[in-house]
Amino acid sequence: DTEVTQTPKHLVMGMTNKKSLKCEQHMGHRAMYWYKQKAKKPPELMFVYSYEKLSINESVPSRFSPECPNSSLLNLHLHALQPEDSALYLCASSQGADRGYQETQYFGPGTRLLVL
Amino acid sequence: GNSVTQMEGPVTLSEEAFLTINCTYTATGYPSLFWYVQYPGEGLQLLLKATKADDKGSNKGFEATYRKETTSFHLEKGSVQVSDSAVYFCALYNTDKLIFGTGTRLQVFP
Repeated sequence: DTEVTQTPKHLVMGMTNKKSLKCEQHMGHRAMYWYKQKAKKPPELMFVYSYEKLSINESVPSRFSPECPNSSLLNLHLHALQPEDSALYLCASSQGADRGYQETQYFGPGTRLLVL
Repeated sequence: GNSVTQMEGPVTLSEEAFLTINCTYTATGYPSLFWYVQYPGEGLQLLLKATKADDKGSNKGFEATYRKETTSFHLEKGSVQVSDSAVYFCALYNTDKLIFGTGTRLQVFP
């Protein structure tokens, strides 16, 4: 089973709202990722969690706040977003983050976010 | 640095035609190479991968061979179907990041 699940599938929010995206995997993976994908572009890495600790933040604005409550769950808290933040948000997981390990990332179906 | 270059799309083919999508890379060391596919309105699915030189990844009739001498990982399929219409991303994994190409849209017509 290589399934990563994401909820909600679609989200519409105003610029003053607070919402959260959720990602879950039960593959025993210890690395989890958030990506942002704009239309007709490749995914862009936002955050990496390794063994439940934030290991990479790609200079993402603070209105995006990640959280990893346990090894199976990854959240992305959203607050005061801008219309240009509208995109497909993808979660991924991989077995581990050991340097040199041949990592394969498995992606979820994404949350399509529209900010009005 | 690490980078991936894919052929510009869209690639438009008739059903049962032969498919090639070119992918070349630059990287330090020995990266792993991947092809991901994204169907309309969906997330990315791993299509195939290769972890060392001369490895061939294959899945669902698609194949790609890791060519270190030409730094390439071209995707091929002998006979495409309408259901193969999607965006295909070539990617490499090196150290701690997955680096994507720009994606190639494939359109297959009956």
